[in-house]
Amino acid sequence: AQSVTQLGSHVSVSEGALVLLRCNYSSSVPPYLFWYVQYPNQGLQLLLKYTTGATLVKGINGFEAEFKKSETSFHLTKPSAHMSDAAEYFCAVSLLAGTALIFGKGTTLSVSS
Amino acid sequence: DAGVTQSPTHLIKTRGQQVTLRCSPKSGHDTVSWYQQALGQGPQFIFQYYEEEERQRGNFPDRFSGHQFPNYSSELNVNALLLGDSALYLCASSLVGLNSYNEQFFGPGTRLTVL
Repeated sequence: AQSVTQLGSHVSVSEGALVLLRCNYSSSVPPYLFWYVQYPNQGLQLLLKYTTGATLVKGINGFEAEFKKSETSFHLTKPSAHMSDAAEYFCAVSLLAGTALIFGKGTTLSVSS
Repeated sequence: DAGVTQSPTHLIKTRGQQVTLRCSPKSGHDTVSWYQQALGQGPQFIFQYYEEEERQRGNFPDRFSGHQFPNYSSELNVNALLLGDSALYLCASSLVGLNSYNEQFFGPGTRLTVL
């Protein structure tokens, strides 16, 4: 069965600092991997996705993630945090295109000035 | 281009009642998925509808049922509400495609409170 583990329920960084949000997955076959962001009282917005091909994926708002099969990881990074990045971030996996997304429990990112 | 819309925005019900939530998919999309997001948790998959049939179902009891209409809109019905059903219910739409990944676009959700 697929599962997603997000290490750290809360991450705090200073504005301009590196953002690193960790995600590990468990899957019997190569999965599709995603990062979503959720702002208060809103739905989920896709930041980036890995389906096939290049393992370093670039997304919106300066975020990127690297698929590492050997480590079963898909960590999200951003070189320089901005106050507007404060939100809840979810890592998700699915086995087949367009089928159920399995989400992690989320990581709350706080950015201080 | 309208994205995924959901109604109502908020809803308050009492235990034992029944509730219906509605979702209109993004223009051009034909598949609708429903997720339940409890407070402080990640979304959990309830079921997915395609061509007016339930295509995939998560680990939710039969009290949760759904429907998809010919115009691709969808309803989520929950019977015999429990306190534990209080959550944000998210609808996501996608397009079945042959050569592209079917990205799911999420609506803003319906906040259900069961008293």
